[in-house]
Amino acid sequence: KNQVEQSPQSLIILEGKNCTLQCNYTVSPFSNLRWYKQDTGRGPVSLTIMTFSENTKSNGRYTATLDADTKQSSLHITASQLSDSASYICVVSDRGSTLGRLYFGRGTQLTVWP
Amino acid sequence: EADIYQTPRYLVIGTGKKITLECSQTMGHDKMYWYQQDPGMELHLIHYSYGVNSTEKGDLSSESTVSRIRTEHFPLTLESARPSHTSQYLCASSAPGRMGDTYNEQFFGPGTRLTVL
Repeated sequence: KNQVEQSPQSLIILEGKNCTLQCNYTVSPFSNLRWYKQDTGRGPVSLTIMTFSENTKSNGRYTATLDADTKQSSLHITASQLSDSASYICVVSDRGSTLGRLYFGRGTQLTVWP
Repeated sequence: EADIYQTPRYLVIGTGKKITLECSQTMGHDKMYWYQQDPGMELHLIHYSYGVNSTEKGDLSSESTVSRIRTEHFPLTLESARPSHTSQYLCASSAPGRMGDTYNEQFFGPGTRLTVL
């Protein structure tokens, strides 16, 4: 069973609308959680990084939240644009590893329609 | 934009051929990684390196091999390609960090889409 689960698997919204993507994880001990954006045929690009002490982090129209107690995170996208169409991947890092091992979700495929 | 490069971006090759996927980074990062990603699936770590002359196998078993002769270069080789090797291969690197470093961010290259016929 994957230690990082994302929902929904895919989402279609109209341009200008808001949306929220969900991430649940079981990785322990927890170090930090990242949201990445991956355009089709490209490598993932980091949007936000949060440690266990951070509840929310914003990057422009992207706002991530973290509840370390329930092991849940969300990514809220405001006023969506066509360029937001991509896969959004939740990535959790464990603590105490020199490698900084990452656990990847399968991503939410977001499509923004005009 | 991260300074990490992969070539080729796309490769279509016949079964049995030997291939090398190139990955280079200009950030001076010690740690480098190779991931395999199939459509709609999570990234799986297949190789990593702590630095020059260091290579380790990742979580997902792979018939590929890697080498790390120079800090900036981390090529991946398949001696005899098979259709089961068809996938996207992503290279990444990260800056040196202390154990438990909370900001061990990995920067990804654009990937190589490999198709073996």
